[in-house]
Amino acid sequence: QLQLQESGPGLVRPSETLSLTCTVSGGSISRSSYYWGWIRQPPGKGLEWIGNIYYTGSTYYNPSLKSRVTMSVDTSKNQFSLKLTSVTAADTAVYYCARQGLALDYWGQGILASVSS
Amino acid sequence: ELVLTQSPGTLSLSPGERATLSCGASQSISSSNLAWYQQKPGQAPRLLIYGASSRATGIPDRFSGSGSGTDFTLTISRLEPEDFAVYYCQQYGSSPYTFGQGTRLDVK
Repeated sequence: QLQLQESGPGLVRPSETLSLTCTVSGGSISRSSYYWGWIRQPPGKGLEWIGNIYYTGSTYYNPSLKSRVTMSVDTSKNQFSLKLTSVTAADTAVYYCARQGLALDYWGQGILASVSS
Repeated sequence: ELVLTQSPGTLSLSPGERATLSCGASQSISSSNLAWYQQKPGQAPRLLIYGASSRATGIPDRFSGSGSGTDFTLTISRLEPEDFAVYYCQQYGSSPYTFGQGTRLDVK
């Protein structure tokens, strides 16, 4: 059974960089046909797609965040990562990683990242 | 950017009743790349329907999806107590992938 697990700091200072990692178990991140994605959800609000990455490093980003987002993949560790720069309180959210197969068919449990001084 | 609008915002029904949730798109969605997710408090979303009408693995057959182009529907034929949650549609046919704002299904 495929499992995804987010990890990273729960608190980030304003103007700093949020860094999160998603570890995939039960399957290879290098398997073709699948992209790997990040989605976020501010407290009490809806879902926002951040972007996807393929195991080759090819990426698609939401234009609303593109100037601040970088995704990367480490196939040796079966992980992919998200960096979001210059964060503000508006970036406070639960961040989910997910597999883009038949839609977003496997999700991590989510990690709350709060932006506060 | 393709905008998805879900209606109603909140739907109040009783167990055993039929639920009909709508998702409208600002432009046609290619290849019916439309999905529905269920989210319960404190949990990650769960994929229910992909390709507008295909049930994901393990999803009961009381859940069904239909539609094409710009108008899509999620139907729950007979509500069970565990079905009361928030439901989101999402299009993954054109980047940026976008979600609807959600429909909250409450117990009447």
